[in-house]
Amino acid sequence: KQEVTQIPAALSVPEGENLVLNCSFTDSAIYNLQWFRQDPGKGLTSLLLIQSSQREQTSGRLNASLDKSSGRSTLYIAASQPGDSATYLCAVSGYSTLTFGKGTMLLVSP
Amino acid sequence: GAGVSQSPSNKVTEKGKDVELRCDPISGHTALYWYRQRLGQGLEFLIYFQGNSAPDKSGLPSDRFSAERTGESVSTLTIQRTQQEDSAVYLCASSLEISGTDNYGYTFGSGTRLTVV
Repeated sequence: KQEVTQIPAALSVPEGENLVLNCSFTDSAIYNLQWFRQDPGKGLTSLLLIQSSQREQTSGRLNASLDKSSGRSTLYIAASQPGDSATYLCAVSGYSTLTFGKGTMLLVSP
Repeated sequence: GAGVSQSPSNKVTEKGKDVELRCDPISGHTALYWYRQRLGQGLEFLIYFQGNSAPDKSGLPSDRFSAERTGESVSTLTIQRTQQEDSAVYLCASSLEISGTDNYGYTFGSGTRLTVV
């Protein structure tokens, strides 16, 4: 059974800092890995999708990497802003499975 | 439509009543998931549909929960004899069919917030 762990559970940083969120998974037989953002009381917004054959994806200030063999992914956020405050979720997709971590709650203070 | 649509967005019901939640996936998406998220908790898998295959119901917490979907159309999640512990946000996600080792990622709806009083 796939298990996904996200570290840290919570993170508080001042505006402007670069930061890294970590995701690890136990079964490397995945199709892809997806990072989502969830704002309080809202649904999930997809940030980045990395196929199993890829090593990284970039979108604006966000960069996600994938090391399938070691079961790890990182989400790098450059020059953080207060608007980045949210919970970040990592989800791993296998055949007929989509397994989520418990998320990292990020607070960026002005 | 452009995104995954869920209705109602909010539902307050009395304990013991039945409720029906609806999910309209993105047109052409054959894969559909239902998840539950209790306050302050992570996402809990409920059920998975893939085209006309038999659904994976392994996440349904009790026989009070059931879900239906015909082909690639709308899905409904029904909770019978609701209990206070059923209070949560119910999220639906859809995706294009998995092909080989690639798939196209999942798009989530905004969820239905269910409150059982």
